[in-house]
Amino acid sequence: AQRVTQPEKLLSVFKGAPVELKCNYSYSGSPELFWYVQYSRQRLQLLLRHISRESIKGFTADLNKGETSFHLKKPFAQEEDSAMYYCALSGEETSGSRLTFGEGTQLTVNP
Amino acid sequence: DTEVTQTPKHLVMGMTNKKSLKCEQHMGHRAMYWYKQKAKKPPELMFVYSYEKLSINESVPSRFSPECPNSSLLNLHLHALQPEDSALYLCASSQVGRTEAFFGQGTRLTVV
Repeated sequence: AQRVTQPEKLLSVFKGAPVELKCNYSYSGSPELFWYVQYSRQRLQLLLRHISRESIKGFTADLNKGETSFHLKKPFAQEEDSAMYYCALSGEETSGSRLTFGEGTQLTVNP
Repeated sequence: DTEVTQTPKHLVMGMTNKKSLKCEQHMGHRAMYWYKQKAKKPPELMFVYSYEKLSINESVPSRFSPECPNSSLLNLHLHALQPEDSALYLCASSQVGRTEAFFGQGTRLTVV
Protein backbone atom coordinates (compact mmCIF):
# COMPACT_ATOMS: atom_id res chain seq x y z
CA ALA A 1 0.00 0.00 0.00
CA GLN A 2 1.11 3.54 -0.61
CA ARG A 3 0.51 6.43 1.73
CA VAL A 4 1.36 10.14 1.83
CA THR A 5 1.33 12.19 5.02
CA GLN A 6 1.29 15.96 5.24
CA PRO A 7 1.34 16.74 8.96
CA GLU A 8 0.27 20.39 8.71
CA LYS A 9 -3.25 21.17 7.50
CA LEU A 10 -2.63 24.91 7.84
CA LEU A 11 0.59 26.91 7.59
CA SER A 12 0.84 30.66 7.93
CA VAL A 13 3.97 32.72 7.32
CA PHE A 14 4.84 36.34 6.63
CA LYS A 15 5.98 37.60 3.25
CA GLY A 16 9.72 37.21 2.85
CA ALA A 17 9.97 34.43 5.44
CA PRO A 18 11.20 30.94 4.55
CA VAL A 19 8.56 28.28 4.18
CA GLU A 20 8.74 24.49 4.37
CA LEU A 21 5.80 22.19 3.69
CA LYS A 22 6.41 18.71 4.99
CA CYS A 23 5.62 15.48 3.18
CA ASN A 24 6.40 11.92 4.22
CA TYR A 25 5.53 8.82 2.29
CA SER A 26 5.23 5.09 2.70
CA TYR A 27 5.88 2.83 -0.27
CA SER A 28 7.82 -0.40 -0.55
CA GLY A 29 9.09 0.12 -4.09
CA SER A 30 10.56 3.03 -6.02
CA PRO A 31 8.12 5.95 -5.88
CA GLU A 32 7.69 8.98 -8.07
CA LEU A 33 6.90 12.04 -5.94
CA PHE A 34 5.09 15.21 -6.98
CA TRP A 35 3.91 18.48 -5.50
CA TYR A 36 0.62 19.78 -6.89
CA VAL A 37 -0.80 23.22 -6.13
CA GLN A 38 -4.32 24.56 -6.25
CA TYR A 39 -4.69 28.34 -6.24
CA SER A 40 -8.08 29.81 -5.35
CA ARG A 41 -10.67 29.01 -8.04
CA GLN A 42 -8.07 27.39 -10.29
CA ARG A 43 -7.47 23.83 -11.33
CA LEU A 44 -5.03 21.50 -9.67
CA GLN A 45 -1.67 21.81 -11.39
CA LEU A 46 1.78 20.32 -11.10
CA LEU A 47 4.35 22.39 -9.24
CA LEU A 48 7.29 19.98 -9.00
CA ARG A 49 8.26 16.38 -9.59
CA HIS A 50 11.31 14.89 -7.95
CA ILE A 51 12.74 13.33 -11.06
CA SER A 52 13.12 16.65 -12.88
CA ARG A 53 14.99 18.35 -9.99
CA GLU A 54 13.79 21.76 -11.17
CA SER A 55 13.07 24.91 -9.20
CA ILE A 56 9.62 26.27 -10.04
CA LYS A 57 8.49 29.70 -8.75
CA GLY A 58 11.40 29.54 -6.30
CA PHE A 59 10.23 26.24 -4.79
CA THR A 60 12.49 23.20 -4.49
CA ALA A 61 11.95 19.72 -3.12
CA ASP A 62 14.46 16.95 -2.53
CA LEU A 63 13.58 13.31 -2.24
CA ASN A 64 15.18 11.80 0.87
CA LYS A 65 14.77 8.05 0.59
CA GLY A 66 16.34 7.42 3.99
CA GLU A 67 13.76 9.58 5.75
CA THR A 68 11.05 8.83 3.15
CA SER A 69 10.41 12.54 2.82
CA PHE A 70 9.83 15.03 0.02
CA HIS A 71 9.55 18.40 1.75
CA LEU A 72 8.77 21.53 -0.29
CA LYS A 73 10.86 24.62 0.46
CA LYS A 74 11.05 28.24 -0.57
CA PRO A 75 13.53 30.70 0.97
CA PHE A 76 11.36 33.82 0.64
CA ALA A 77 7.58 33.37 0.54
CA GLN A 78 5.41 35.69 -1.55
CA GLU A 79 1.73 36.55 -1.08
CA GLU A 80 0.91 34.89 -4.41
CA ASP A 81 2.16 31.58 -2.98
CA SER A 82 -0.98 31.35 -0.85
CA ALA A 83 -2.71 28.17 -2.01
CA MET A 84 -3.45 24.54 -1.17
CA TYR A 85 -0.45 22.29 -1.68
CA TYR A 86 -0.74 18.54 -2.16
CA CYS A 87 2.11 16.07 -2.05
CA ALA A 88 1.40 13.04 -4.25
CA LEU A 89 2.99 9.68 -4.93
CA SER A 90 2.85 7.45 -7.98
CA GLY A 91 3.82 3.83 -7.55
CA GLU A 92 5.37 1.46 -10.07
CA GLU A 93 2.30 1.00 -12.22
CA THR A 94 2.74 0.99 -15.94
CA SER A 95 -0.81 1.85 -16.95
CA GLY A 96 -0.88 5.45 -15.83
CA SER A 97 0.00 7.99 -13.18
CA ARG A 98 -2.02 6.52 -10.31
CA LEU A 99 -1.64 9.31 -7.78
CA THR A 100 -2.11 8.99 -4.05
CA PHE A 101 -2.45 12.42 -2.49
CA GLY A 102 -1.69 13.64 1.00
CA GLU A 103 -4.36 15.55 2.90
CA GLY A 104 -2.92 18.86 1.75
CA THR A 105 -1.47 21.94 3.44
CA GLN A 106 -3.22 25.30 3.11
CA LEU A 107 -0.46 27.90 2.95
CA THR A 108 -1.24 31.51 3.77
CA VAL A 109 1.40 34.16 3.20
CA ASN A 110 0.58 37.32 5.12
CA PRO A 111 1.72 40.79 4.00
CA ASP B 1 -4.09 22.95 -26.47
CA THR B 2 -2.82 21.97 -23.04
CA GLU B 3 -6.12 21.87 -21.23
CA VAL B 4 -8.47 19.22 -20.00
CA THR B 5 -12.04 20.42 -20.46
CA GLN B 6 -14.92 19.15 -18.35
CA THR B 7 -18.63 19.70 -18.85
CA PRO B 8 -20.86 20.63 -17.21
CA LYS B 9 -19.22 22.79 -14.56
CA HIS B 10 -22.13 22.29 -12.18
CA LEU B 11 -24.80 19.58 -12.04
CA VAL B 12 -27.74 19.04 -9.72
CA MET B 13 -29.51 15.70 -10.05
CA GLY B 14 -32.13 13.71 -8.24
CA MET B 15 -31.52 10.23 -6.90
CA THR B 16 -33.53 8.65 -9.72
CA ASN B 17 -31.91 10.62 -12.55
CA LYS B 18 -29.39 9.47 -15.12
CA LYS B 19 -26.73 11.97 -16.13
CA SER B 20 -23.26 11.98 -17.68
CA LEU B 21 -20.10 13.94 -17.05
CA LYS B 22 -17.84 14.62 -20.00
CA CYS B 23 -14.11 15.19 -20.29
CA GLU B 24 -12.00 16.05 -23.35
CA GLN B 25 -8.31 16.53 -24.01
CA HIS B 26 -6.30 17.11 -27.18
CA MET B 27 -2.79 16.65 -25.85
CA GLY B 28 -2.40 13.15 -27.29
CA HIS B 29 -2.47 11.60 -23.83
CA ARG B 30 -3.38 7.91 -23.76
CA ALA B 31 -4.11 7.69 -20.03
CA MET B 32 -7.22 9.32 -18.57
CA TYR B 33 -8.56 9.37 -15.04
CA TRP B 34 -11.57 10.13 -12.90
CA TYR B 35 -11.00 11.43 -9.38
CA LYS B 36 -13.55 12.36 -6.70
CA GLN B 37 -12.83 15.23 -4.32
CA LYS B 38 -14.94 15.98 -1.28
CA ALA B 39 -14.77 19.38 0.39
CA LYS B 40 -11.44 20.09 2.11
CA LYS B 41 -10.16 16.62 1.15
CA PRO B 42 -7.61 15.46 -1.44
CA PRO B 43 -8.66 13.91 -4.74
CA GLU B 44 -9.32 10.17 -4.59
CA LEU B 45 -8.76 8.01 -7.64
CA MET B 46 -11.84 6.29 -9.08
CA PHE B 47 -10.88 4.95 -12.52
CA VAL B 48 -7.89 4.80 -14.86
CA TYR B 49 -8.10 4.26 -18.61
CA SER B 50 -4.99 3.33 -20.51
CA TYR B 51 -5.14 3.18 -24.32
CA GLU B 52 -8.93 3.46 -24.09
CA LYS B 53 -9.21 0.38 -21.90
CA LEU B 54 -10.20 0.38 -18.24
CA SER B 55 -7.09 -0.56 -16.32
CA ILE B 56 -7.95 0.42 -12.74
CA ASN B 57 -11.28 0.52 -10.91
CA GLU B 58 -10.79 1.48 -7.28
CA SER B 59 -13.81 -0.52 -6.10
CA VAL B 60 -16.20 2.19 -7.20
CA PRO B 61 -19.95 1.40 -6.86
CA SER B 62 -21.66 0.37 -10.08
CA ARG B 63 -23.86 3.47 -10.02
CA PHE B 64 -20.76 5.14 -11.53
CA SER B 65 -20.03 3.82 -15.02
CA PRO B 66 -17.01 5.13 -16.95
CA GLU B 67 -16.65 5.09 -20.70
CA CYS B 68 -13.78 6.01 -23.01
CA PRO B 69 -15.20 6.27 -26.55
CA ASN B 70 -11.89 7.39 -28.06
CA SER B 71 -8.45 8.63 -27.08
CA SER B 72 -9.67 12.21 -26.51
CA LEU B 73 -12.91 11.64 -24.62
CA LEU B 74 -13.83 10.25 -21.24
CA ASN B 75 -17.34 10.02 -19.84
CA LEU B 76 -18.71 9.17 -16.43
CA HIS B 77 -22.30 7.92 -16.47
CA LEU B 78 -24.26 8.43 -13.27
CA HIS B 79 -27.37 6.55 -12.21
CA ALA B 80 -29.26 6.24 -8.93
CA LEU B 81 -26.74 8.28 -6.99
CA GLN B 82 -26.94 9.01 -3.29
CA PRO B 83 -26.60 12.40 -1.56
CA GLU B 84 -23.20 11.32 -0.21
CA ASP B 85 -21.98 11.14 -3.81
CA SER B 86 -22.12 14.93 -3.96
CA ALA B 87 -18.55 16.09 -4.64
CA LEU B 88 -16.23 17.68 -7.17
CA TYR B 89 -15.44 15.18 -9.93
CA LEU B 90 -12.09 15.73 -11.57
CA CYS B 91 -10.90 14.38 -14.87
CA ALA B 92 -7.19 14.16 -15.63
CA SER B 93 -4.99 12.95 -18.44
CA SER B 94 -1.33 12.05 -18.84
CA GLN B 95 1.10 10.13 -20.95
CA VAL B 96 1.03 6.45 -20.06
CA GLY B 97 3.44 5.78 -17.21
CA ARG B 98 4.42 7.71 -14.12
CA THR B 99 4.31 11.26 -15.33
CA GLU B 100 2.60 14.59 -14.85
CA ALA B 101 -1.18 14.48 -14.79
CA PHE B 102 -3.15 17.44 -16.20
CA PHE B 103 -6.40 18.14 -14.38
CA GLY B 104 -9.65 19.66 -15.55
CA GLN B 105 -11.57 22.27 -13.55
CA GLY B 106 -14.00 19.65 -12.37
CA THR B 107 -17.75 19.15 -12.30
CA ARG B 108 -19.40 20.08 -9.02
CA LEU B 109 -22.13 17.51 -8.53
CA THR B 110 -24.98 17.87 -6.06
CA VAL B 111 -27.34 14.93 -5.53
CA VAL B 112 -30.69 15.88 -4.02
